[in-house]
Amino acid sequence: EDKVVQSPLSLVVHEGDTVTLNCSYEVTNFRSLLWYKQEKKAPTFLFMLTSSGIEKKSGRLSSILDKKELFSILNITATQTGDSAVYLCAVDLNGQGGSEKLVFGKGTKLTVNP
Amino acid sequence: DTGVSQDPRHKITKRGQNVTFRCDPISEHNRLYWYRQTLGQGPEFLTYFQNEAQLEKSRLLSDRFSAERPKGSFSTLEIQRTEQGDSAMYLCASSLPLNTGELFFGEGSRLTVL
Repeated sequence: EDKVVQSPLSLVVHEGDTVTLNCSYEVTNFRSLLWYKQEKKAPTFLFMLTSSGIEKKSGRLSSILDKKELFSILNITATQTGDSAVYLCAVDLNGQGGSEKLVFGKGTKLTVNP
Repeated sequence: DTGVSQDPRHKITKRGQNVTFRCDPISEHNRLYWYRQTLGQGPEFLTYFQNEAQLEKSRLLSDRFSAERPKGSFSTLEIQRTEQGDSAMYLCASSLPLNTGELFFGEGSRLTVL
């Protein structure tokens, strides 16, 4: 069974802290690993990773993939209260017709206190 | 607003009733997905359309669930004879066939079955 496991499930930090969120996976057909941010209802896309060791960066967020050890991390530096959200890790299983068939982890709920 | 829209946003029904949800994707997106999300879990894939063709269905989708996308534009998800276990957020997403991993999610239709 395809599985994506995230840790920790919940994290509370103070503004300015740096956090690392973890994602490991066991899937039958890997195309890419994705990170999404879910603040209220709709998840929004952050990164797609396909190659090991290549860091993707967007402002204070960065992510890297290790395809040998089957995990990824998402780092957020100098956290702000606006970073409070659930961060979802997903693996694209390359579905029928080339679709993005995503299997998600449970998410890490990040709370950043002022 | 030209994002993915879903209707209704919240539906409360009694067990055994039928419900239908509608999704209007971003207009140029030919890929459309339905996911289901329960509290504390990540979204779970239900089904995928490419234009009007339903190319993939999860085994989670029992025969009480049916989805259509008749003209390759909007989609409907119908649940017949609802059960309490159907209570969840039903998320619709759309994308272009670019395999960037970026799905554009709607804000969801929350179903509560009493």
